[in-house]
Amino acid sequence: GAGVSQSPRYKVAKRGQDVALRCDPISGHVSLFWYQQALGQGPEFLTYFQNEAQLDKSGLPSDRFFAERPEGSVSTLKIQRTQQEDSAVYLCASSPKGTGGAYGYTFGSGTRLTVV
Amino acid sequence: KQEVTQIPAALSVPEGENLVLNCSFTDSAIYNLQWFRQDPGKGLTSLLLIQSSQREQTSGRLNASLDKSSGRSTLYIAASQPGDSATYLCAVNNQGGKLIFGQGTELSVKP
Repeated sequence: GAGVSQSPRYKVAKRGQDVALRCDPISGHVSLFWYQQALGQGPEFLTYFQNEAQLDKSGLPSDRFFAERPEGSVSTLKIQRTQQEDSAVYLCASSPKGTGGAYGYTFGSGTRLTVV
Repeated sequence: KQEVTQIPAALSVPEGENLVLNCSFTDSAIYNLQWFRQDPGKGLTSLLLIQSSQREQTSGRLNASLDKSSGRSTLYIAASQPGDSATYLCAVNNQGGKLIFGQGTELSVKP
């Protein structure tokens, strides 16, 4: 596709519900990143994929967060038993190269998650 | 641990003014630095990417500089317009691939 596509754009979940957020990166992009952006803050790194391999998940805040990219293209970020502190915008980014982001990153429009 | 700071947190200027946004980082061993723009409720739009070997990049009315040794980057916006109103984010790539972001500068350009 022409850009990074994320769905849904908005998600309201009741506390305790499971949610799944989808990211379609630019076709052929090797690297895929997930970031979490709280209101008024800069994005914070969650996890990184190179093709289907999850190379870094050090930013995932708890074991309730799980990400996958089984075929090396579309990725899903799953949050189990959502809590109010999970309310944030979840951003996905992709890059054409395997390491270093030498060509920079293209971000999607994000999914705004509100946990009530 | 890399930390990125942006000053000021918010800035309001009259239309037509030239302005400078500042970004500082604590670890100079960076791979590159990227400036982004974020409109309310939207994702990030890449403005300029500076590799660690470069000193500056220009795109239209925007100019970004990088002084790696002092851990600083500036984004210069010439002849500001109301349409420039947005949050500007600086992000450092520390060779691990992941970006470390500052908290952003919220810019308001008044007509």
